[in-house]
Parts: sequence; C-alpha cells; structure tokens
Amino acid sequence: EVQLVESGGALVQPGGSLRLSCAASGFDFRIYWMTWVRQAPGKGLEWVANINTDGSVGFYVDSVRGRFTISRDNAKNSLYLQMNSLRAEDTAIYYCARPPNWGTFDYWGQGSLVTVSS
Amino acid sequence: QSALTQPRSVSGSPGQSVTISCTGTSSDVGGYNSVSWYQQYSDKAPKLMIYDVTKRPSGVPDRFSGSKSGNTASLTISGLQAEDEADYHCCSYAGSYSCVFGGGTKLTIL
Repeated sequence: EVQLVESGGALVQPGGSLRLSCAASGFDFRIYWMTWVRQAPGKGLEWVANINTDGSVGFYVDSVRGRFTISRDNAKNSLYLQMNSLRAEDTAIYYCARPPNWGTFDYWGQGSLVTVSS
Repeated sequence: QSALTQPRSVSGSPGQSVTISCTGTSSDVGGYNSVSWYQQYSDKAPKLMIYDVTKRPSGVPDRFSGSKSGNTASLTISGLQAEDEADYHCCSYAGSYSCVFGGGTKLTIL
C-alpha cells in the first residue's frame, strides 16, 4: 500500500525557517518524481515544487523560488521542503504527492500545517 | 502561472447531473492533454478522480467523467449521490515541469 506521511509543520514567525519531511512507503520511491502542493485556509490547491528522480533538479512556483528548496534522500525514501524567509502568505497545509505523469497526482499525504504568524 | 478558473459553487439534486468547468489558456489546459480532477472532503487530502482529461483511476465510479474543449476542461458527475458533496479541484500541466490548479468548486447536493 502506497503511503506518504508528512511531518515538521509548526507555528513560525515571519522571516523564520522550517523543514518539512515526507516519508514514502509501498512503492519504488527512486523512480518517481515527487511534488509538494499547498492549500491556504479556505483556498484552493497550489502546486509548490517538483523534484526529479535523482534529486538533481527542482522546479518551483514563482512565489517561493529562491526561498524554498525541495530535496530528497532516496536511501531513506524521504522527500523534504526547506522553507526560508517565511511570510504570512505561506500559511497553508502542505501535502506531498506522487506525480506518475505530468499534471497528475495519484497519491497524497495527509498534510502538514504550517502557520506563519507573530 | 495564473490559477485556472472554476465556479466557486455548483449544486444539484440527487439523481441529477452537474458539470464543473475549468478554464485556462493555450499554455496549460489548451496546450496539453494533461488535466486531472480531485475530490476533497473537508479536512481531508485530495483524491484523484480523473486524469489525462478523460481517464478514471481504478475504483472511481463511472458516474464521473471528464472532457475538454479548447482551453476549458469539464468534470461531469451524473446520478448525483449525497456522498458526492465535496470540493472539486482541477489541475493542468503548464509546461516546464510545472502544474497549475483551479480555485476549487464546492458541490452541494440539494
């Protein structure tokens, strides 16, 4: 059974940093690109970042490029999102998801809440 | 990277059909056959319902169907049931390894 379990969400002050983790199981993690998607309170979903299979390249939505870094450790079946210079508008539930092909996400984690507030 | 446009809400009675639209541009919806739809209950993770415009994952009822014309994709739910009441989100590949979602549509069963 495919499982994605996020952790690391917290309350953080504006300008602060946070690292989210996503533990994957039930599939060959090494051969899939992975994605972070977020959802602000009462809002729609927003694609945040993709990473390729070996972790050498990441792609980002404009609003987080230069502040967030997506990474992975295939030996640990884990995906990460390092978030720096956090802003109030980054407040959201962050989901990790598996994209079997472009524009499709077939498995999602339960989400991790990040709140940016003073 | 502008969000796709969906109606904020739609409604229908049990047994009826509803269609939810998702409008983008030639750079996303119109440019690729890579549109997907997700069902999301309150405080739950999204669930894939349609991918590649028209395909249904195993286990999704055939009451759910997808289509696309030009820059607009659509999700049709026929034979509405009470458990279909949820939020529905569309997503399209937008090139350069990026994706764009719609704002979400709340489906209410009357």
